[in-house]
Amino acid sequence: NAGVMQNPRHLVRRRGQEARLRCSPMKGHSHVYWYRQLPEEGLKFMVYLQKENIIDESGMPKERFSAEFPKEGPSILRIQQVVRGDSAAYFCASSPTSGLGWGNIQYFGAGTRLSVL
Amino acid sequence: DAKTTQPNSMESNEEEPVHLPCNHSTISGTDYIHWYRQLPSQGPEYVIHGLTSNVNNRMASLAIAEDRKSSTLILHRATLRDAAVYYCILYNQGGKLIFGQGTELSVKP
Repeated sequence: NAGVMQNPRHLVRRRGQEARLRCSPMKGHSHVYWYRQLPEEGLKFMVYLQKENIIDESGMPKERFSAEFPKEGPSILRIQQVVRGDSAAYFCASSPTSGLGWGNIQYFGAGTRLSVL
Repeated sequence: DAKTTQPNSMESNEEEPVHLPCNHSTISGTDYIHWYRQLPSQGPEYVIHGLTSNVNNRMASLAIAEDRKSSTLILHRATLRDAAVYYCILYNQGGKLIFGQGTELSVKP
Protein backbone atom coordinates (compact mmCIF):
# COMPACT_ATOMS: atom_id res chain seq x y z
CA ASN A 1 0.00 0.00 0.00
CA ALA A 2 1.77 3.09 -1.24
CA GLY A 3 2.01 6.01 1.11
CA VAL A 4 1.18 9.62 0.39
CA MET A 5 2.96 10.62 -2.79
CA GLN A 6 4.03 14.16 -3.42
CA ASN A 7 5.65 15.49 -6.54
CA PRO A 8 7.84 17.02 -7.46
CA ARG A 9 10.19 16.57 -4.50
CA HIS A 10 12.06 19.71 -5.42
CA LEU A 11 10.74 22.64 -7.43
CA VAL A 12 12.63 25.74 -8.48
CA ARG A 13 10.74 28.77 -9.73
CA ARG A 14 11.65 32.33 -10.56
CA ARG A 15 9.76 35.18 -8.99
CA GLY A 16 6.45 35.72 -10.73
CA GLN A 17 6.10 32.17 -12.03
CA GLU A 18 3.47 29.67 -10.96
CA ALA A 19 4.12 26.63 -8.78
CA ARG A 20 1.93 23.53 -8.85
CA LEU A 21 2.40 20.96 -6.13
CA ARG A 22 0.70 17.59 -6.40
CA CYS A 23 -0.38 15.16 -3.74
CA SER A 24 -1.82 11.68 -4.18
CA PRO A 25 -3.33 10.46 -0.92
CA MET A 26 -3.08 6.93 0.36
CA LYS A 27 -5.49 4.51 -1.24
CA GLY A 28 -8.92 4.78 0.31
CA HIS A 29 -8.24 8.16 1.89
CA SER A 30 -10.65 10.94 1.00
CA HIS A 31 -9.31 13.67 3.29
CA VAL A 32 -6.26 15.74 2.34
CA TYR A 33 -4.40 18.39 4.31
CA TRP A 34 -1.66 20.77 3.25
CA TYR A 35 0.96 22.20 5.61
CA ARG A 36 3.84 24.58 5.07
CA GLN A 37 7.17 24.65 6.87
CA LEU A 38 9.19 27.80 6.39
CA PRO A 39 12.94 27.59 6.98
CA GLU A 40 13.75 27.24 10.69
CA GLU A 41 10.05 27.36 11.58
CA GLY A 42 7.39 24.89 12.58
CA LEU A 43 4.70 23.30 10.49
CA LYS A 44 1.67 25.44 9.80
CA PHE A 45 -1.68 24.18 8.60
CA MET A 46 -2.87 25.65 5.31
CA VAL A 47 -5.97 23.87 4.03
CA TYR A 48 -8.14 20.79 4.53
CA LEU A 49 -10.02 19.26 1.61
CA GLN A 50 -12.35 16.39 0.95
CA LYS A 51 -13.12 15.21 -2.55
CA GLU A 52 -14.28 18.29 -4.48
CA ASN A 53 -14.77 20.35 -1.32
CA ILE A 54 -12.67 22.74 0.73
CA ILE A 55 -13.48 22.11 4.37
CA ASP A 56 -11.12 24.51 6.12
CA GLU A 57 -8.85 27.03 4.44
CA SER A 58 -8.16 29.13 7.51
CA GLY A 59 -4.39 28.79 7.07
CA MET A 60 -4.22 29.73 3.42
CA PRO A 61 -2.87 33.14 2.47
CA LYS A 62 -5.70 35.17 1.02
CA GLU A 63 -3.99 35.89 -2.28
CA ARG A 64 -2.09 33.81 -4.84
CA PHE A 65 -2.70 30.45 -3.12
CA SER A 66 -5.39 27.97 -4.05
CA ALA A 67 -6.02 24.27 -3.53
CA GLU A 68 -8.25 21.66 -5.06
CA PHE A 69 -8.96 17.98 -4.67
CA PRO A 70 -10.95 16.85 -7.71
CA LYS A 71 -13.11 13.76 -7.92
CA GLU A 72 -10.42 12.09 -10.00
CA GLY A 73 -6.72 12.69 -9.66
CA PRO A 74 -4.39 14.20 -7.09
CA SER A 75 -4.85 17.21 -4.89
CA ILE A 76 -3.14 20.32 -6.24
CA LEU A 77 -1.73 23.25 -4.30
CA ARG A 78 -1.23 26.16 -6.66
CA ILE A 79 0.83 29.24 -5.94
CA GLN A 80 0.58 32.03 -8.47
CA GLN A 81 3.21 34.72 -8.98
CA VAL A 82 5.60 33.21 -6.47
CA VAL A 83 7.78 35.42 -4.28
CA ARG A 84 10.95 34.58 -2.36
CA GLY A 85 8.93 34.30 0.86
CA ASP A 86 7.09 31.31 -0.59
CA SER A 87 10.29 29.26 -0.42
CA ALA A 88 9.46 26.46 2.00
CA ALA A 89 8.72 22.78 2.35
CA TYR A 90 5.11 21.95 1.58
CA PHE A 91 3.73 18.77 3.09
CA CYS A 92 0.57 16.94 2.24
CA ALA A 93 -1.17 14.51 4.56
CA SER A 94 -4.16 12.25 4.13
CA SER A 95 -6.56 10.41 6.40
CA PRO A 96 -9.33 7.88 5.79
CA THR A 97 -11.94 9.82 7.73
CA SER A 98 -12.20 13.02 9.68
CA GLY A 99 -11.58 10.91 12.72
CA LEU A 100 -14.17 12.36 15.02
CA GLY A 101 -14.58 10.26 18.09
CA TRP A 102 -11.39 8.24 17.94
CA GLY A 103 -8.66 10.63 17.07
CA ASN A 104 -7.63 11.26 13.51
CA ILE A 105 -4.30 9.92 12.24
CA GLN A 106 -2.76 11.79 9.37
CA TYR A 107 -0.20 10.20 7.07
CA PHE A 108 2.30 12.60 5.57
CA GLY A 109 4.17 12.64 2.32
CA ALA A 110 7.86 13.45 1.99
CA GLY A 111 7.11 17.00 0.95
CA THR A 112 7.89 19.34 -1.93
CA ARG A 113 10.70 21.77 -1.36
CA LEU A 114 10.00 24.96 -3.25
CA SER A 115 12.84 27.36 -3.95
CA VAL A 116 12.05 30.74 -5.44
CA LEU A 117 14.95 32.50 -7.13
CA ASP B 1 -7.06 25.51 20.54
CA ALA B 2 -5.52 24.00 23.66
CA LYS B 3 -1.79 24.55 23.99
CA THR B 4 1.01 22.14 24.76
CA THR B 5 4.40 22.88 26.28
CA GLN B 6 7.48 20.80 25.55
CA PRO B 7 11.19 21.25 26.26
CA ASN B 8 13.03 22.63 23.26
CA SER B 9 15.62 19.88 23.23
CA MET B 10 16.67 16.67 24.94
CA GLU B 11 19.63 14.36 24.70
CA SER B 12 19.78 10.62 25.07
CA ASN B 13 22.29 7.85 24.79
CA GLU B 14 21.77 5.07 22.31
CA GLU B 15 19.93 2.02 23.63
CA GLU B 16 18.72 3.86 26.73
CA PRO B 17 15.07 4.77 27.42
CA VAL B 18 13.90 8.29 26.65
CA HIS B 19 11.04 10.09 28.36
CA LEU B 20 9.71 13.07 26.43
CA PRO B 21 7.37 15.22 28.54
CA CYS B 22 4.44 17.33 27.45
CA ASN B 23 2.30 19.66 29.53
CA HIS B 24 -1.26 20.43 28.47
CA SER B 25 -2.94 21.97 31.50
CA THR B 26 -5.87 23.38 29.50
CA ILE B 27 -6.81 20.07 27.90
CA SER B 28 -10.54 19.49 27.49
CA GLY B 29 -12.37 16.24 28.05
CA THR B 30 -12.65 15.49 24.35
CA ASP B 31 -9.04 16.24 23.42
CA TYR B 32 -6.95 13.32 22.23
CA ILE B 33 -3.20 13.49 22.85
CA HIS B 34 -1.26 12.79 19.67
CA TRP B 35 2.46 12.46 19.12
CA TYR B 36 4.16 12.88 15.78
CA ARG B 37 7.83 13.06 14.95
CA GLN B 38 9.74 14.58 12.07
CA LEU B 39 13.06 13.11 11.06
CA PRO B 40 15.50 15.43 9.26
CA SER B 41 14.36 16.33 5.75
CA GLN B 42 11.25 14.16 6.01
CA GLY B 43 7.55 14.64 6.56
CA PRO B 44 6.01 14.15 10.00
CA GLU B 45 5.27 10.62 11.07
CA TYR B 46 2.52 9.49 13.43
CA VAL B 47 3.87 7.88 16.60
CA ILE B 48 1.02 7.24 19.01
CA HIS B 49 -2.13 8.72 20.48
CA GLY B 50 -4.38 8.26 23.49
CA LEU B 51 -7.30 9.72 25.37
CA THR B 52 -7.17 8.65 29.02
CA SER B 53 -5.42 5.30 29.37
CA ASN B 54 -1.77 4.55 28.76
CA VAL B 55 -1.07 3.20 25.29
CA ASN B 56 1.60 0.99 23.79
CA ASN B 57 2.51 0.27 20.20
CA ARG B 58 5.54 -1.00 18.35
CA MET B 59 7.14 2.43 18.26
CA ALA B 60 6.58 3.81 21.73
CA SER B 61 4.46 4.04 24.86
CA LEU B 62 2.31 6.94 25.96
CA ALA B 63 1.81 7.57 29.65
CA ILE B 64 -1.06 9.94 30.46
CA ALA B 65 -1.37 11.55 33.88
CA GLU B 66 -4.53 10.80 35.80
CA ASP B 67 -5.71 14.43 35.54
CA ARG B 68 -4.67 14.42 31.85
CA LYS B 69 -2.77 17.68 32.26
CA SER B 70 0.48 16.10 31.19
CA SER B 71 1.74 13.12 29.26
CA THR B 72 5.03 11.41 28.50
CA LEU B 73 6.18 9.72 25.34
CA ILE B 74 8.48 6.83 26.13
CA LEU B 75 10.95 5.37 23.68
CA HIS B 76 12.11 2.19 25.35
CA ARG B 77 15.50 1.89 23.65
CA ALA B 78 16.61 4.93 21.70
CA THR B 79 18.42 4.34 18.44
CA LEU B 80 20.25 6.81 16.23
CA ARG B 81 17.25 6.66 13.90
CA ASP B 82 15.06 8.11 16.64
CA ALA B 83 16.82 11.47 16.42
CA ALA B 84 14.00 13.79 15.37
CA VAL B 85 11.71 16.59 16.46
CA TYR B 86 8.85 15.18 18.52
CA TYR B 87 5.53 17.01 18.58
CA CYS B 88 2.83 16.64 21.21
CA ILE B 89 -0.54 17.77 19.80
CA LEU B 90 -4.03 18.00 21.25
CA TYR B 91 -6.72 16.99 18.81
CA ASN B 92 -10.48 16.95 19.25
CA GLN B 93 -12.05 17.40 15.88
CA GLY B 94 -11.59 16.46 12.30
CA GLY B 95 -9.16 18.58 10.40
CA LYS B 96 -5.97 20.40 11.13
CA LEU B 97 -3.14 19.44 13.38
CA ILE B 98 -1.61 22.37 15.22
CA PHE B 99 2.12 21.84 15.59
CA GLY B 100 4.11 23.64 18.25
CA GLN B 101 7.89 23.88 18.32
CA GLY B 102 8.32 20.32 19.57
CA THR B 103 11.28 18.72 21.31
CA GLU B 104 14.41 18.10 19.30
CA LEU B 105 15.80 14.76 20.44
CA SER B 106 19.43 13.99 19.80
CA VAL B 107 20.80 10.47 20.37
CA LYS B 108 24.44 9.93 21.15
CA PRO B 109 26.16 6.69 20.15
